[in-house]
Amino acid sequence: NAGVTQTPKFQVLKTGQSMTLQCAQDMNHEYMSWYRQDPGMGLRLIHYSVGAGITDQGEVPNGYNVSRSTTEDFPLRLLSAAPSQTSVYFCASRYTDRGKGYTFGSGTRLTVV
Amino acid sequence: GENVEQHPSTLSVQEGDSAVIKCTYSDSASNYFPWYKQELGKGPQLIIDIRSNVGEKKDQRIAVTLNKTAKHFSLHITETQPEDSAVYFCAATSGTYKYIFGTGTRLKVLA
Repeated sequence: NAGVTQTPKFQVLKTGQSMTLQCAQDMNHEYMSWYRQDPGMGLRLIHYSVGAGITDQGEVPNGYNVSRSTTEDFPLRLLSAAPSQTSVYFCASRYTDRGKGYTFGSGTRLTVV
Repeated sequence: GENVEQHPSTLSVQEGDSAVIKCTYSDSASNYFPWYKQELGKGPQLIIDIRSNVGEKKDQRIAVTLNKTAKHFSLHITETQPEDSAVYFCAATSGTYKYIFGTGTRLKVLA
């Protein structure tokens, strides 16, 4: 039982490049979310999914796309990287039962130069 | 909009002392309040949570208290140890996908 697996752990991009951050969970969780973590700003929700085929925007969705073709996978795509997207990105998942909190992956540290 | 304020941003305590971190939430519909511990280079890990129908919950050296009237909830760590040093986040949710996180508290336990 690996939990939430994120790849890569580190990435450097040039402005304008695109890439996909991978996230996979093996706990059969319905909810999956992507957060970004910036100093002094806590964790902010980018996109979320309540099940396969269903995604929606969080509070900071601009510049990012997501899809959820399977229960297990929830990739985050950066369309045209900008320096403002330099951050640590966390994927998280949980059951719909609100009594169980999110399980987080170990994060991807992204630098856009 | 919905907001969670967390204080203090940094906290230093002597080993063996207690530590208290406080959060205030704005959404009166919030009914679930988890606390996360984040160690350096790792993702946040759920350490304790409380629902709105409970005023206090304990798990060994950690406890969480909730005051719904004041919209306050707090994390209490007793007999602190060096391995408690980390960043702690509070969060609030009305029971959906959306968690509103505080800005974090960096706890340093001094040996």
